[in-house]
Amino acid sequence: GEDVEQSLFLSVREGDSSVINCTYTDSSSTYLYWYKQEPGAGLQLLTYIFSNMDMKQDQRLTVLLNKKDKHLSLRIADTQTGDSAIYFCAEQEAGTALIFGKGTTLSVSS
Amino acid sequence: DTGVSQDPRHKITKRGQNVTFRCDPISEHNRLYWYRQTLGQGPEFLTYFQNEAQLEKSRLLSDRFSAERPKGSFSTLEIQRTEQGDSAMYLCASSSGTGIYGYTFGSGTRLTVV
Repeated sequence: GEDVEQSLFLSVREGDSSVINCTYTDSSSTYLYWYKQEPGAGLQLLTYIFSNMDMKQDQRLTVLLNKKDKHLSLRIADTQTGDSAIYFCAEQEAGTALIFGKGTTLSVSS
Repeated sequence: DTGVSQDPRHKITKRGQNVTFRCDPISEHNRLYWYRQTLGQGPEFLTYFQNEAQLEKSRLLSDRFSAERPKGSFSTLEIQRTEQGDSAMYLCASSSGTGIYGYTFGSGTRLTVV
């Protein structure tokens, strides 16, 4: 079945880079996403990548996709205290609904 | 456009009561999704609509749960005979097309069953 795995917690210092990792099991996943959730709030779409891409960069965010290993990563450059949140990896097979991981809590210390 | 709106933000109910939540999607979005999120977990898919048609329901959606989107605009999620295990954040999202560019989520309705 479908499953998305993430490490639960990451702690970095302000100004460092953060790398959040995700593995997925469904080889049919065509679309992959990163969402951010701040306390008490809904989910905010950060970025997405399609399975025919290896990398996508958007300002401080870089997404890397390794289809062979079914591994997705999100790199946040120059991490700020405002980046402290829970980050969810999600996958979608064409025509189906998003499946989410359990989330990685990013803690940024100054 | 104000994004996806959910009402109420918080709901406290006694076990055995019925509750209904409302979601207003982004007006031009044809797909509407319901998810449930418990503490320390990611959102779990419940059901989704394309316009007024309910296209998929998760095994999580027991027969005590029912969702509607009668005119293809707003949607309601009703839980009958609530149980303590129903306590969670209920998230609504909407998308255009099949959602390949991502969903827009509302802020959620937090349900507490006492």
